[in-house]
Amino acid sequence: TQLLEQSPQFLSIQEGENLTVYCNSSSVFSSLQWYRQEPGEGPVLLVTVVTGGEVKKLKRLTFQFGDARKDSSLHITAAQPGDTGLYLCAGVTGTYKYIFGTGTRLKVLA
Amino acid sequence: DSGVTQTPKHLITATGQRVTLRCSPRSGDLSVYWYQQSLDQGLQFLIQYYNGEERAKGNILERFSAQQFPDLHSELNLSSLELGDSALYFCASSVDGGAYGYTFGSGTRLTVV
Repeated sequence: TQLLEQSPQFLSIQEGENLTVYCNSSSVFSSLQWYRQEPGEGPVLLVTVVTGGEVKKLKRLTFQFGDARKDSSLHITAAQPGDTGLYLCAGVTGTYKYIFGTGTRLKVLA
Repeated sequence: DSGVTQTPKHLITATGQRVTLRCSPRSGDLSVYWYQQSLDQGLQFLIQYYNGEERAKGNILERFSAQQFPDLHSELNLSSLELGDSALYFCASSVDGGAYGYTFGSGTRLTVV
């Protein structure tokens, strides 16, 4: 069974702090996405990474795809309360099998 | 508004009943996916349709069925409902197989009492 493990599972930090969320698998992915989900809403796509070693920045969020395309990280600089939510990574295999990660619940306190 | 429309937003029903959840994909998207999300759990893939045909199946119970119609909207039918079926049900769509991500609807919250 292919798994995408995310760590940490829960994270509670103060406004202004930095944080990193990890997404790891033993499988190789052709692409990987990160989503943010707020309570009672559907996940919203933040970014797609495709190339091993690729780094993408979205304002205070930095996404990196591992060189071997088996893992990814999401770094948030100077977190704000608006960043609170469930962060999900999702990987796509060569056969278009889509696997969601276990999720990281982030709470940013004002 | 993501472009994916799900109705109804909330549904409360009794055990043993049958309900139908509806999804209209984003304009131009041919693939529709159904996911279940229970409290404190991740997204569980149920089923995918592409242009009217079933493309992939996940952990979908035999009591559940789905279809995609010629106008590309999709319906998820849940029957003989049990308390454990209470969850958020999400529909998502993509133009292809999802290599560049999905667009999710805002979900249907099903409560079985």
